[in-house]
Amino acid sequence: SAVISQKPSRDICQRGTSLTIQCQVDSQVTMMFWYRQQPGQSLTLIATANQGSEATYESGFVIDKFPISRPNLTFSTLTVSNMSPEDSSIYLCSAKGQGNTGELFFGEGSRLTVL
Amino acid sequence: QKEVEQNSGPLSVPEGAIASLNCTYSDRGSQSFFWYRQYSGKSPELIMSIYSNGDQEDGRFTAQLNKASQYVSLLIRDSQPSDSATYLCAVNGNTGKLIFGQGTTLQVKP
Repeated sequence: SAVISQKPSRDICQRGTSLTIQCQVDSQVTMMFWYRQQPGQSLTLIATANQGSEATYESGFVIDKFPISRPNLTFSTLTVSNMSPEDSSIYLCSAKGQGNTGELFFGEGSRLTVL
Repeated sequence: QKEVEQNSGPLSVPEGAIASLNCTYSDRGSQSFFWYRQYSGKSPELIMSIYSNGDQEDGRFTAQLNKASQYVSLLIRDSQPSDSATYLCAVNGNTGKLIFGQGTTLQVKP
């Protein structure tokens, strides 16, 4: 399994500001994904972070609000822009394991609270 | 219809009993199925994977898959209080993306 490190682990942010979450994987992975988990809810896929090209966003998520970078095969960032209290959530970075079995491994998550 | 459906629970079982968690999915082309355990305040942890019809066993955990019925289940034998968590069913369809159910909260009472 891949070991995934995220930072910050938590933060309290002011309305209107932006925050960048970093995700580091201990091995090269082809596909990385960003999920959001709102309080009491399940995981919702925000986007697939593609190395060398723009991220692929799911319905309801746009690049202006959630810009993503993927400069190499072990690192990605997610920025939550112009935050509002509705963005208070846990943001999870994930990567596929080795092989083609489809399983995902997750970082510890970044818990954001927007005041 | 949600793509992956689970009963949110809570499901309460006494210690030592068998806990049975169920999941249905809508995409008939789905190929890979996973169960994740999530403790409160923690990230999801993969506990079982299953890819073909039948049972897949790992210790006290058994995953069951029935593609004809589009149904996946997780059995936890000899349930322990430490098994108390939310269990997420996840399905990997033809798009390659993992879609999660809303999760079932399991409470194992001593």
